[in-house]
Parts: sequence; structure tokens; C-alpha cells
Amino acid sequence: QLVLTQSPSASASLGASVKLTCILSGGHSGNAIAWHQQQPNKGPRFLMKLNSDGSHTKGDGIPDRFSGSSSGPEHYLTISSLQSEDEADYYCQTWGTGIRVFGEGTRVTVL
Amino acid sequence: EVHLVESGGGLVQPGGSLRLSCAASGFTFSIYNMNWVRQAPGKGLQWVSSISSGGAYMYYADSVKGRFTISRDNAENSLSLQLNSLRADDTAVYYCARAECSSTSCSEVFDVWGQGTLVTVSS
Repeated sequence: QLVLTQSPSASASLGASVKLTCILSGGHSGNAIAWHQQQPNKGPRFLMKLNSDGSHTKGDGIPDRFSGSSSGPEHYLTISSLQSEDEADYYCQTWGTGIRVFGEGTRVTVL
Repeated sequence: EVHLVESGGGLVQPGGSLRLSCAASGFTFSIYNMNWVRQAPGKGLQWVSSISSGGAYMYYADSVKGRFTISRDNAENSLSLQLNSLRADDTAVYYCARAECSSTSCSEVFDVWGQGTLVTVSS
């Protein structure tokens, strides 16, 4: 069973950095992972795609302070120089045969 | 500019039906796989259904299989979701989302989202 596991919450001070983790289990390790941001009372926004070769592609207009990386089944989203508008829910997403999967989301609080 | 605009949400009684639509613009709709994702109040994102670019292949989450039907009209640049036998736990904001394609390949990563349409199932 394809599962993405995320910590429910994370926090860091304004201007600091935070690193979110998404752990893939259940196969399909060669597939890309996406990160999406959902600010309060808004729809989701695509942040970036992390490929299995370590490369990544960002969505249009995504600031440089958002970066991604991977190590085996663990995939990371790092937000540097945290801004107040970064306070949001962050979801990872991938797919398998006939199925698309989201992690349960990590709520980031900017202190 | 790339846009997805959902419509058709509303209040419906348990057991009722509803048809959601998603109008696409700003890209060649016919070459992209498309998806529906929902979000129940206070909950996370849940994948609902996907359809291939030409409409030949359709996939559903177990929770909606047999009740929901996804379709598309590439001539009209539109995506639809027919919701039948609705239950209270189908109450959610429903989003349409595009699966990305680069110049060299496509994946099932969602790279464009609509703003959502609210479906409320209640008597």
C-alpha cells in the first residue's frame, strides 16, 4: 500500500529555516514527489516536483527560499528565511498504478 | 495564463446527485491527464478520481468507486465529475487539478489547481 507519512506540525521563528519530511512507503520509489502549499482559506498551490534523480522543478513564481531534496524514501521541503505568509499546510503527493496519494499534511507555524 | 475554474457545487440531500464542472484555459487541455481532489472541512487533501488525456482511462478512490463518474470534453476544454448516491461524508471542497507534463515527459504530479467548489450533503 502506497503511503506518504508527514509530521503533523512544525514551527520556527520568523527569518529562520524549517525542514519538512515526507516518507514514502509501499513501493513506487522511482516516482517523483510533489510538494503543495495551502495557505489558510485558500486552495492548494504547487510548489515543486522532486525527481528520483535528485533534481527538482519549481512552480511558477515560487521563491528561491523554497528548496527540496531527497534521500532514499525520505523527501524534504526546506523553507529558508521564513516569512509570515509561509504559515500554511504543506502536503506531499505522489502516485502509483491507478492511484494518487497525498500525505496528511504538515502545518507550519511561524513564531 | 493557465486557469482551472470549478463550478456546480451546492447543497444536496443524502442520496442525491450533483455534477461538477471544471473549465480549463491557457493550455492545451487535450494533452494533460486531469484529476479531482477533495478536502472535507478541517481535513487534508484526498484524491478522488483521475482521467487520462484522451479519456480512455479513469481511476477512482475506493470511497467513491461506483458512485462518482469522471469525464472530459477535449473540444470544450472541460472536465466533469458526476456525483451520485451522495453521503454526508462526501461534504467537501472539490478541486480540479492538472497532472504535469514537461517538454520531454509527463507525470502524475499535480501542477495546476483550481479554486474549488463546495459540496454540502445534508438534509
